Amino acid sequence: KAGVTQTPRYLIKTRGQQVTLSCSPISGHRSVSWYQQTPGQGLQFLFEYFSETQRNKGNFPGRFSGRQFSNSRSEMNVSTLELGDSALYLCASSSDGLGTSGNEQFFGPGTRLTVL
Amino acid sequence: QKEVEQNSGPLSVPEGAIASLNCTYSDRGSQSFFWYRQYSGKSPELIMSIYSNGDKEDGRFTAQLNKASQYVSLLIRDSQPSDSATYLCAVVGYGQNFVFGPGTRLSVLP
Repeated sequence: KAGVTQTPRYLIKTRGQQVTLSCSPISGHRSVSWYQQTPGQGLQFLFEYFSETQRNKGNFPGRFSGRQFSNSRSEMNVSTLELGDSALYLCASSSDGLGTSGNEQFFGPGTRLTVL
Repeated sequence: QKEVEQNSGPLSVPEGAIASLNCTYSDRGSQSFFWYRQYSGKSPELIMSIYSNGDKEDGRFTAQLNKASQYVSLLIRDSQPSDSATYLCAVVGYGQNFVFGPGTRLSVLP
C-alpha cells in the first residue's frame, strides 16, 4: 500500500498571502488529521476530518481551515499568513480514527512552509 | 500543566544497552497510547500502540502501560546507533484528539 502523500513538500510565502496544502491518505483510510510542528511548540493538532466532515478541532485561529473530499483526500488552507505560521505541516491518516487500532495514525512526509 | 510530559533528554545510552523512555499524561480517561519515532528532518513513524494495562512487545521494542499511575513507557533492547532519534509519546483522550508530548531525544553511542 502506498503511504500518505503530501504536496507540495516545500513552500515559501510572504506575510499576508494564503496557502493551500494537500494530503492523500493511505488507500482505504477515511480519517485525516492535520498537525503543525514547530521547534518551540512541538506537534500540535489542527483538525480531523472523517467522511468529509470536520470531526475534531484544535485550538488554532480561524485562519486555519480544511476540507475533505469524497475520495478522502484533504486540503488545509491558511489565510493571511503570519511569520509565526512557519512550520512543518503534517497530515496523518487512520482507518476510521476510532477504537483499538482503528485510530493508529500514519504520517505523511510533511510540507515545510516558510513565511517571509 | 502540560497534558503529556516527557523528559526532553538527550538520553544517551551505549550500543547494546536498554533505552528506557517515559511518558506521563493528565487525562485519566485516555484510552489509546502510541509511541512514534522521528528522525531529524523526517516525519513521525509509528512504532507501537498500546490500549490496555501491561506490556506489549514487538521485536526489540516493549511498551508498558499503567493507567492507574498514568504513565506509559517504551523500552528499546539492544539499542543500535540507528535508534538515535526523537521519540514522541501520543495519548488519545475522550475527544479522540491526539495529544503529543514534547519528545525525548535518544542518542545511542557506538
